[in-house]
Amino acid sequence: DGGITQSPKYLFRKEGQNVTLSCEQNLNHDAMYWYRQDPGQGLRLIYYSQIVNDFQKGDIAEGYSVSREKKESFPLTVTSAQKNPTAFYLCASSPRGLNTEAFFGQGTRLTVV
Amino acid sequence: GENVEQHPSTLSVQEGDSAVIKCTYSDSASNYFPWYKQELGKRPQLIIDIRSNVGEKKDQRIAVTLNKTAKHFSLHITETQPEDSAVYFCAASRTSKAAGNKLTFGGGTRVLVKP
Repeated sequence: DGGITQSPKYLFRKEGQNVTLSCEQNLNHDAMYWYRQDPGQGLRLIYYSQIVNDFQKGDIAEGYSVSREKKESFPLTVTSAQKNPTAFYLCASSPRGLNTEAFFGQGTRLTVV
Repeated sequence: GENVEQHPSTLSVQEGDSAVIKCTYSDSASNYFPWYKQELGKRPQLIIDIRSNVGEKKDQRIAVTLNKTAKHFSLHITETQPEDSAVYFCAASRTSKAAGNKLTFGGGTRVLVKP
């Protein structure tokens, strides 16, 4: 199913708790990305990684952290510093190179109560 | 950085009519322009893309045009069907041999095709 898997599909957490969203791909892609989607809005880039053990902040990185210890995995931690964490989170991956397609996971809907 | 504007935000068309969505981008170095379709609660899926060395691309009822000078690109859907109802996103990125595909998205267009 597209080779990129996010888990869980739905996640509920109490305010003030850190939570980690999983993203795994078996497409052998070097690059991976995390996007946030709010209702009725576009996708905004949180973090991205072009290669293992390297990652860069996107447009809205505050309150989030990532790691890239393995090529297949790019977990996102939503920390208690994120002021408004309730959203739909999408992970994507792509090969490196000119004009390459990005593939998306099915998303994780995080609700903080 | 790149900024992508998308219009309109909502579009209602009668089945069989055409739908047109327009996007503008700010970074003249952007060279890849995909369009994604997202159904409610699901992942975005690529429906068509265009490279900066091409002015137009067509795939059955879907076509995309690119005007590099004006920095805008458009999606055209002809003979719309109810299953075309979804949210459509345009995006732009500056790809290179050494880099991946860091996309900047427009705000989306909710398309409703009325039977």
